Amino acid sequence: DGGITQSPKYLFRKEGQNVTLSCEQNLNHDAMYWYRQDPGQGLRLIYYSQIVNDFQKGDIAEGYSVSREKKESFPLTVTSAQKNPTAFYLCASRGDRGSYGYTFGSGTRLTVV
Amino acid sequence: GQQLNQSPQSMFIQEGEDVSMNCTSSSIFNTWLWYKQDPGEGPVLLIALYKAGELTSNGRLTAQFGITRKDSFLNISASIPSDVGIYFCAGQNYGGSQGNLIFGKGTKLSVKP
Repeated sequence: DGGITQSPKYLFRKEGQNVTLSCEQNLNHDAMYWYRQDPGQGLRLIYYSQIVNDFQKGDIAEGYSVSREKKESFPLTVTSAQKNPTAFYLCASRGDRGSYGYTFGSGTRLTVV
Repeated sequence: GQQLNQSPQSMFIQEGEDVSMNCTSSSIFNTWLWYKQDPGEGPVLLIALYKAGELTSNGRLTAQFGITRKDSFLNISASIPSDVGIYFCAGQNYGGSQGNLIFGKGTKLSVKP
């Protein structure tokens, strides 16, 4: 079955360390997105990519980095520059123009210890 | 970034009651979507609306695309405990970055058995 997979589900990081969250989709979708979710804050866009080897900053890109070397994969790195990284991170994808809505992964909960 | 105004922020209801939530925007959209997020999971698409004035049902859920294209509402009839979660509205236009969704901040629904 086609879908979008995020791993790991839970991640613990020591302060000052970089960590990479994985997002893989086999839906043949062009566009991929990373969101951060904090209680009561809704979904805040970190980065998005409309096509391989291209990506754009979202509303809260500081302290994060991404790459899009393959259509199927859009990993997110949370760097040590991100001052408050503990959050729930969601990856999503969207098909071609004219397709509606996003398909979301099941999320990664990152905790800084 | 742009966000939709979604209300109410939270609801505490008794099992069997009906629920109504809505979303408004200062700009028009070609598509309105409603998602549900179970605790600790990614959002899942409930209903998509493609035409102004459209009224669409999915089981106990009914959603409408406002005639001005600037608002939408979602009703849940005869609520049950598994309706618990966060409901997000989203607006979408077509083409390029306009295909990106704009989300409301969510309505958190709690159902008392």
